[in-house]
Amino acid sequence: QVHLVESGGGVVQPGRSLRLSCAASGFTFNNYGMHWVRQAPGKGLEWVALILYDGTNEYYADSVKGRFTISRDNSKNTLYLQMNSLRAEDTAVYYCAKDLGECSGGRCYFMFGMDVWGQGTTVTVSS
Amino acid sequence: EIVLTQSPGTLSLSPGETATLSCRASQSVSSNYLAWYQQKPGQAPRLLIYGASSRAAGIPDRFSGSGSGTDFTLTISRLEPEDVAMYYCQHYGGSPPMYTFGQGTKLEIK
Repeated sequence: QVHLVESGGGVVQPGRSLRLSCAASGFTFNNYGMHWVRQAPGKGLEWVALILYDGTNEYYADSVKGRFTISRDNSKNTLYLQMNSLRAEDTAVYYCAKDLGECSGGRCYFMFGMDVWGQGTTVTVSS
Repeated sequence: EIVLTQSPGTLSLSPGETATLSCRASQSVSSNYLAWYQQKPGQAPRLLIYGASSRAAGIPDRFSGSGSGTDFTLTISRLEPEDVAMYYCQHYGGSPPMYTFGQGTKLEIK
């Protein structure tokens, strides 16, 4: 069964750092790009970052560029989000999500969407 | 940057009726890059439709997507109480890759 489990959320003061983790199971992790998506309290969804299946490229929303770093360890089937210089507006539930497209055997099948989501981990930035 | 505008903000219908949710893009987009999600209260989002009209795995055929250019529609037929949720459209934009969500439509069942 395909499963994503986030961890690492908590309460942190403005300007501090936090690292989120997302443990994946039930699928070939290193064949898929992975995303972080967040949702502020009572608000809609905001895409945060994408890392390609092999970790060679990362992409970020303008709102987090230069402060957040997405990474992955394919040997551990784990995705990470390092969040530095946190601000009150970063307060949100953070979801990791699996990309719909697959890269395997040197070929990539591009489809655009996020077909598996974790349950989310809550980050609160407050003094 | 492409902006997605969803309408209506809230839709209130009765069981058995058909819901029509709209997503309008600020400029023409490829239908390959348009997806729809359902988020029930207290839950993570779930992919319903990708490529504007392809149902994701396990999604009932009561859910269908259509549209092209700037106007896309999610149709939910034979509404059930379990369909109460927020519905979001999403667009993928390349070079560099980024994803944009609409602000959502809240579906209520009377």
